[in-house]
Amino acid sequence: DAGVIQSPRHEVTEMGQEVTLRCKPISGHDYLFWYRQTMMRGLELLIYFNNNVPIDDSGMPEDRFSAKMPNASFSTLKIQPSEPRDSAVYFCASSTNTGTGVETQYFGPGTRLLVL
Amino acid sequence: DQQVKQNSPSLSVQEGRISILNCDYTNSMFDYFLWYKKYPAEGPTFLISISSIKDKNEDGRFTVFLNKSAKHLSLHIVPSQPGDSAVYFCAASAWYAGNMLTFGGGTRLMVKP
Repeated sequence: DAGVIQSPRHEVTEMGQEVTLRCKPISGHDYLFWYRQTMMRGLELLIYFNNNVPIDDSGMPEDRFSAKMPNASFSTLKIQPSEPRDSAVYFCASSTNTGTGVETQYFGPGTRLLVL
Repeated sequence: DQQVKQNSPSLSVQEGRISILNCDYTNSMFDYFLWYKKYPAEGPTFLISISSIKDKNEDGRFTVFLNKSAKHLSLHIVPSQPGDSAVYFCAASAWYAGNMLTFGGGTRLMVKP
């Protein structure tokens, strides 16, 4: 398996522009998570989906952020308009239930976003 | 309100010695704990986990200890190797939260040759 795939790996944009981050989870995984990593806040959960349905979006910082999962193999995280404080590394992770308890999440390589 | 805290942002250890990374939590409903390891420019990768019904889990050079009464867990790496230099994240899950994990802020471990 190719693991969790994220694109782009790096994104540099100007303040006010729309940014779209993409994620392809591991095939067969029914949970998908979006995280943001910053120096100040560490690794924080933004939103997660189960079977393509958003379950908890309480971590989404504000209305400028939105996430979708139109099918089991694709999700997007969109920031519109972007601001310099959105600069961070954004990770996507996926997992599935094997019935043995809490399941390990598998992370993608991340998208490093810089908003100028 | 941080429910999972790693109070040491960094730790430096000599090769061959023991590394001890600490993690504290506040939510008594957490019943499963994990450690993830992250190298630069990569995503975190799962390292080791422990259920709340246990107080120790060992996997090779890595051992996780859980003290439920103190709401504290620790990761021991013995012996430490330069390749262990990375950021280590502690994470916790509650039975009602499905597969959702709450992460600590991370500890950067540097193992010096």
